[in-house]
Amino acid sequence: DVKVTQSSRYLVKRTGEKVFLECVQDMDHENMFWYRQDPGLGLRLIYFSYDVKMKEKGDIPEGYSVSREKKERFSLILESASTNQTSMYLCASKTSGRLAGIPGANVLTFGAGSRLTVL
Amino acid sequence: GESVGLHLPTLSVQEGDNSIINCAYSNSASDYFIWYKQESGKGPQFIIDIRSNMDKRQGQRVTVLLNKTVKHLSLQIAATQPGDSAVYFCAENIGDDKIIFGKGTRLHILP
Repeated sequence: DVKVTQSSRYLVKRTGEKVFLECVQDMDHENMFWYRQDPGLGLRLIYFSYDVKMKEKGDIPEGYSVSREKKERFSLILESASTNQTSMYLCASKTSGRLAGIPGANVLTFGAGSRLTVL
Repeated sequence: GESVGLHLPTLSVQEGDNSIINCAYSNSASDYFIWYKQESGKGPQFIIDIRSNMDKRQGQRVTVLLNKTVKHLSLQIAATQPGDSAVYFCAENIGDDKIIFGKGTRLHILP
């Protein structure tokens, strides 16, 4: 069964702490994504990566950075956590959209989410 | 700007009735749309997709309709069951890899 695994389901951190959210996929997917989910706002794209060491900003990258040193792992980093970063964070992966015509090439597989509380 | 939105944040439907969940998108260049279902405590899961060269696609108990003229997408669930209770998101594909989600509609099933 294909999987996207987020290392922490629940985290509580203090304002100013550096926070790492880890995501690993076992499907050999080229693309990986980080979204945050907030009530009434849906899923908002923070960053995505279309290849190792490649990244692109999403709609709300401020306050976040990412790292993709290996194909299977995509890390989200909060350099100095703030209370407005309290949220549910969802990691996802998919095959490259450039592989046109392959069924499911643009379908995301999500992890279960990491709920972060910043005090 | 780019946005994908839903008309209603919450929808209540009687068990056994059909559900219709709506979504409006703004990027006319989007060529691929997907509906996801998110159950409590889980990440969103794929339900059905449709390409922009189609206006209708059917799955098992679900149908997606696409109206490119008014940039509108809908998900129809036939004979709604308690297990359909979830938050439903529409998403659009922009370019090769970027995927943008709407705000979501929570579907409540009434007994």
